[in-house]
Amino acid sequence: DAKTTQPNSMESNEEEPVHLPCNHSTISGTDYIHWYRQLPSQGPEYVIHGLTSNVNNRMASLAIAEDRKSSTLILHRATLRDAAVYYCILSVFGNEKLTFGTGTRLTIIP
Amino acid sequence: DTGVSQDPRHKITKRGQNVTFRCDPISEHNRLYWYRQTLGQGPEFLTYFQNEAQLEKSRLLSDRFSAERPKGSFSTLEIQRTEQGDSAMYLCASSLQGGSLNEQFFGPGTRLTVL
Repeated sequence: DAKTTQPNSMESNEEEPVHLPCNHSTISGTDYIHWYRQLPSQGPEYVIHGLTSNVNNRMASLAIAEDRKSSTLILHRATLRDAAVYYCILSVFGNEKLTFGTGTRLTIIP
Repeated sequence: DTGVSQDPRHKITKRGQNVTFRCDPISEHNRLYWYRQTLGQGPEFLTYFQNEAQLEKSRLLSDRFSAERPKGSFSTLEIQRTEQGDSAMYLCASSLQGGSLNEQFFGPGTRLTVL
């Protein structure tokens, strides 16, 4: 499985936008980019995924670099409930196994 | 609540004992996954089922581990002769083939402590 690299931790002020980066320089043409997050004492939850174009949903936006070697998860207005570990995962279409790294621990400062 | 449920939520056992965990997926989901998560690490894939068929097993799944999904609904994960290194959170997830690509819905996990 292609590897992703994320910062171990980030901090952001409440009600400000947060940009969580992910590098995936060995991504293949069939790899989708997925983001999951894990709140304290809970299982992971799906956030967003994309292939080439930027994606938006009610939770976040995903900005994908033109060469697809990096991507950024954007939380437009962070709240305290967004404090979690965020995982960037590459998954080949049809490959159902998710390979999690260590993720980025996001702390929201009130 | 129609989410993924796991039972028990916590299990403390002595080394050498057998333990069994249960996962009930979202009712219409035909795929079910097991992951293991140790402190400070992301979840690690163990195995997954499509309906009752076990389609992939990780090398992490030693001979002491066995998973079943006998009727394509709930699943059980059994660990025989537990070791202290088995202490972890065991997570179950489910998804619908043909649904949102690879969106897996996770349960709250079973935390295992082996003394």
